[in-house]
Amino acid sequence: DTAVSQTPKYLVTQMGNDKSIKCEQNLGHDTMYWYKQDSKKFLKIMFSYNNKELIINETVPNRFSPKSPDKAHLNLHINSLELGDSAVYFCASSQEPRVGGTQYFGPGTRLTVL
Amino acid sequence: KQEVTQIPAALSVPEGENLVLNCSFTDSAIYNLQWFRQDPGKGLTSLLLIQSSQREQTSGRLNASLDKSSGRSTLYIAASQPGDSATYLCAVLDAGNMLTFGGGTRLMVKP
Repeated sequence: DTAVSQTPKYLVTQMGNDKSIKCEQNLGHDTMYWYKQDSKKFLKIMFSYNNKELIINETVPNRFSPKSPDKAHLNLHINSLELGDSAVYFCASSQEPRVGGTQYFGPGTRLTVL
Repeated sequence: KQEVTQIPAALSVPEGENLVLNCSFTDSAIYNLQWFRQDPGKGLTSLLLIQSSQREQTSGRLNASLDKSSGRSTLYIAASQPGDSATYLCAVLDAGNMLTFGGGTRLMVKP
């Protein structure tokens, strides 16, 4: 019954590797998001995506790319991982946010880059 | 560029106290403001969402107000309980269709 799910929950990898985090929502929402929460617990939007547009936070390196195979999934691909990518990554979804769509968050994926 | 600030960064109160958490934002051109709760090692849970045209929202012991023109919101928690201990985050949705979060207030309610 999990509304927004992410896999894996923990990911430990070496610098330079390429990895993916998967996200699925079963709420029928049309907009999905990826957030990064750093070691100081500060939460920042990375991407906002629906079937019409991808909005990218200008601070996100192009090593990060979202991929949406269908409306219920938004996966995050990261190329050439760096130490500074270590963080907790949250996926979220909502109905159209500008008309008041509450965002529902997944449990997070803790990425550690060694 | 939107900036969201939350004060205080941390708060410790005895059980039963009423308390107020503050949130301020620099750009008043927002669509809505949300308050979230985050427990350690967990994701975020939405508590209240206030549309830009609204002044307040209530849910149980929680009441959130919004003064868009002055760029401020408060979250009022009545009769606090140990189970309220968590980090509370406010976030605003602006014209860029993205949520900008504050740094959070870490609340500890002591029995």
